[in-house]
Amino acid sequence: GDSVTQMEGPVTLSEEAFLTINCTYTATGYPSLFWYVQYPGEGLQLLLKATKADDKGSNKGFEATYRKETTSFHLEKGSVQVSDSAVYFCALSDSGYSTLTFGKGTMLLVSP
Amino acid sequence: EAQVTQNPRYLITVTGKKLTVTCSQNMNHEYMSWYRQDPGLGLRQIYYSMNVEVTDKGDVPEGYKVSRKEKRNFPLILESPSPNQTSLYFCASTIRGTLSGANVLTFGAGSRLTVL
Repeated sequence: GDSVTQMEGPVTLSEEAFLTINCTYTATGYPSLFWYVQYPGEGLQLLLKATKADDKGSNKGFEATYRKETTSFHLEKGSVQVSDSAVYFCALSDSGYSTLTFGKGTMLLVSP
Repeated sequence: EAQVTQNPRYLITVTGKKLTVTCSQNMNHEYMSWYRQDPGLGLRQIYYSMNVEVTDKGDVPEGYKVSRKEKRNFPLILESPSPNQTSLYFCASTIRGTLSGANVLTFGAGSRLTVL
């Protein structure tokens, strides 16, 4: 079945550092890929998405590129802020588009 | 305001006492789903519904029931809760009955359930 693997956290960074959170996936067909973010005490919200190979999703300074050859969708940000502290989930929708499969989440902690 | 509303937000109950967690959306969404979030396990899907009167099992349906009698509501029912159902639960919805790249899930704020 489909699966998503994320790097384990927590990832601890100082403000203005560069961020990478790795995400790889296993899927049949051509899934759509997503990054969702969960701020403390809140539900998940979409951060960015990509629907086909080589697409780049971007939002709020975060970027991720859909790499079919490496089955990856790594999240990057050039300069993190304290307000970026949250849990980040990589996810894919299957070829039938009936479910979303999530990774286990990566906690990011940014200190001033 | 467009939103997914879950109730209760927090609940402590005892083993075997039936409970219902309600979920309502005001966006006329076709697709609704329930997830549970547990430390080290991420989010796992319990049940989903692609439209009224259409429901299907997700990855972890045991011990749960759902119904979709009307478009806006998708309650999660625990007939006989057990301690292993202690978790953070999220309801989510999207406009169409499928989760293609154009259709993004909108999540509720979560319901933290503790079963003693």
